[in-house]
Amino acid sequence: AQTVTQSQPEMSVQEAETVTLSCTYDTSESNYYLFWYKQPPSRQMILVIRQEAYKQQNATENRFSVNFQKAAKSFSLKISDSQLGDTAMYFCALTYGGSQGNLIFGKGTKLSVKP
Amino acid sequence: EAQVTQNPRYLITVTGKKLTVTCSQNMNHEYMSWYRQDPGLGLRQIYYSMNVEVTDKGDVPEGYKVSRKEKRNFPLILESPSPNQTSLYFCASGGGFPYEQYFGPGTRLTVT
Repeated sequence: AQTVTQSQPEMSVQEAETVTLSCTYDTSESNYYLFWYKQPPSRQMILVIRQEAYKQQNATENRFSVNFQKAAKSFSLKISDSQLGDTAMYFCALTYGGSQGNLIFGKGTKLSVKP
Repeated sequence: EAQVTQNPRYLITVTGKKLTVTCSQNMNHEYMSWYRQDPGLGLRQIYYSMNVEVTDKGDVPEGYKVSRKEKRNFPLILESPSPNQTSLYFCASGGGFPYEQYFGPGTRLTVT
């Protein structure tokens, strides 16, 4: 079975600082993809970043970057220069070749950015 | 604007009264799916569709039906809603594998 674990239910960070959200996963598949989704108070699920398991290079999208440690099955999200608009729930998710597109989500980390 | 739309956004209904939540996407995506989000359980897939007339069960399909008669639409049907179906529902669509999925705004359903 594939699992995704987010061990930090809540975190807070000061505006303009950097924060790292943790995610570990378990899969026996070799062809898989990892995602981070953001859910602000509006409840919209917004794709933040994705990582292909076969790529060694860590994905980056503006202020968002990941630290993908394949052997450790770890996929953390780093947010640089945190902004008030980054306040949201963040979900780590996994999909793989045989999953028919099913995204397996972690339970989320609630991030609060404080002014 | 590329988007996934859902209607209604909020719905309060009573046990046993059939309802349909509509979902439409304008990105010409082949893949569409429905998820429900519950506190402490995260998001779980209900049904998915790989293309027109091709649907299959996700992790929690009991009590739900879907249809995919057109590429852009993927309605979720609750024939006889029950209180345990009170939840936040999301429709999503995606292109080719890994079906990088884009979500609709969500539908908050309350069944009394």
